[in-house]
Amino acid sequence: GEDVEQSLFLSVREGDSSVINCTYTDSSSTYLYWYKQEPGAGLQLLTYIFSNMDMKQDQRLTVLLNKKDKHLSLRIADTQTGDSAIYFCAESRDTGRRALTFGSGTRLQVQP
Amino acid sequence: NAGVTQTPKFRVLKTGQSMTLLCAQDMNHEYMYWYRQDPGMGLRLIHYSVGEGTTAKGEVPDGYNVSRLKKQNFLLGLESAAPSQTSVYFCASSHSLDRAPRTYEQYFGPGTRLTVT
Repeated sequence: GEDVEQSLFLSVREGDSSVINCTYTDSSSTYLYWYKQEPGAGLQLLTYIFSNMDMKQDQRLTVLLNKKDKHLSLRIADTQTGDSAIYFCAESRDTGRRALTFGSGTRLQVQP
Repeated sequence: NAGVTQTPKFRVLKTGQSMTLLCAQDMNHEYMYWYRQDPGMGLRLIHYSVGEGTTAKGEVPDGYNVSRLKKQNFLLGLESAAPSQTSVYFCASSHSLDRAPRTYEQYFGPGTRLTVT
């Protein structure tokens, strides 16, 4: 995960917005992803953005991409206790193995 | 569809013991991966496979071996376990087709928690 960096922890109150940030280093990344990991479970894809887009909205989720600064953010509107989880950003590179490079994950804690 | 399944869910090994982790997927995916997840770190790629009968090294392959004898199964072996291999292991699979934009979407299993004492 050294190529993709995230803050480790974020705490918000229920109903507030959450913003999780990520920086990446590979300018050739084609797609950038947000995965969610609930306790004791595997990762599930939340949303993604193509590198030529600035913003993508999907219900309560908004992804912002600043390609110049290599900065990606995930905004969750009206955060619920069920949103408590670890959120990973990941980048893909156009390589034959199609592997993802993950950040270290941000633990989101939602206080009731 | 069961998706991606992993067995076992938990295991405790003594240093020097061997074991095999099994991953199975029923989505007819070509690509399969093994990752390890350690506290405060992202997932790191151990080995991967781009098709039946092929395997390749990822970022942290030392101490592990893999086999992909059948398309639906990807096995991860530890020949001589070490405490540094205490981790949560995740298997994932993905399509081979260039179906943008979800080309690199990976589907994950629930994980295997391994402790080596």
